[in-house]
Amino acid sequence: GAVVSQHPSWVICKSGTSVKIECRSLDFQATTMFWYRQFPKQSLMLMATSNEGSKATYEQGVEKDKFLINHASLTLSTLTVTSAHPEDSSFYICSARGGGNTEAFFGQGTRLTVV
Amino acid sequence: DQQVKQNSPSLSVQEGRISILNCDYTNSMFDYFLWYKKYPAEGPTFLISISSIKDKNEDGRFTVFLNKSAKHLSLHIVPSQPGDSAVYFCAATPDNYGQNFVFGPGTRLSVLP
Repeated sequence: GAVVSQHPSWVICKSGTSVKIECRSLDFQATTMFWYRQFPKQSLMLMATSNEGSKATYEQGVEKDKFLINHASLTLSTLTVTSAHPEDSSFYICSARGGGNTEAFFGQGTRLTVV
Repeated sequence: DQQVKQNSPSLSVQEGRISILNCDYTNSMFDYFLWYKKYPAEGPTFLISISSIKDKNEDGRFTVFLNKSAKHLSLHIVPSQPGDSAVYFCAATPDNYGQNFVFGPGTRLSVLP
């Protein structure tokens, strides 16, 4: 299957700082990328959908100014958690769809811990 | 309102036996269904999918069955192996390019040696 690389795989940051997570499609052009958040023992919660070159569409309850998403190219989307707080600690996962694939392929996930 | 339901949060199966994971959905617009497998602290891995024009799709040890009238699908794993122990997510989407997936809550499968 297609490869989606997410970086970093884990990050610890201080409260109040910002953290950027990258999601890259390595062997196909991802016209659509999705960002999910997973709380322990819960399902994946879609945060936002981004199409290359367009503003991201955020799900209800997700703060646009807190979770900045940029999908500037067909192979890269970034999620920036701004002014992180301990309650933002979670597992963030991206997925990418495109290149004629109906399936979405997922990155490895990023474990964010805010201290 | 959960559009995709997986009513069994966990399932234990003996190695070599069949694992059956169930999924129900409520949105009649869903036209394409997928199963993902997820290990702790990793991203989900795509397993198998099925379009609504089919009622069965098979790939090796994995078979997905779709009953569109009942809005029900199931994933069969046979024979089950200890390495299959993971959380399995059912996902659904309208068969439109670029639409997001709606995930079920997941079923934790434990395959006992």
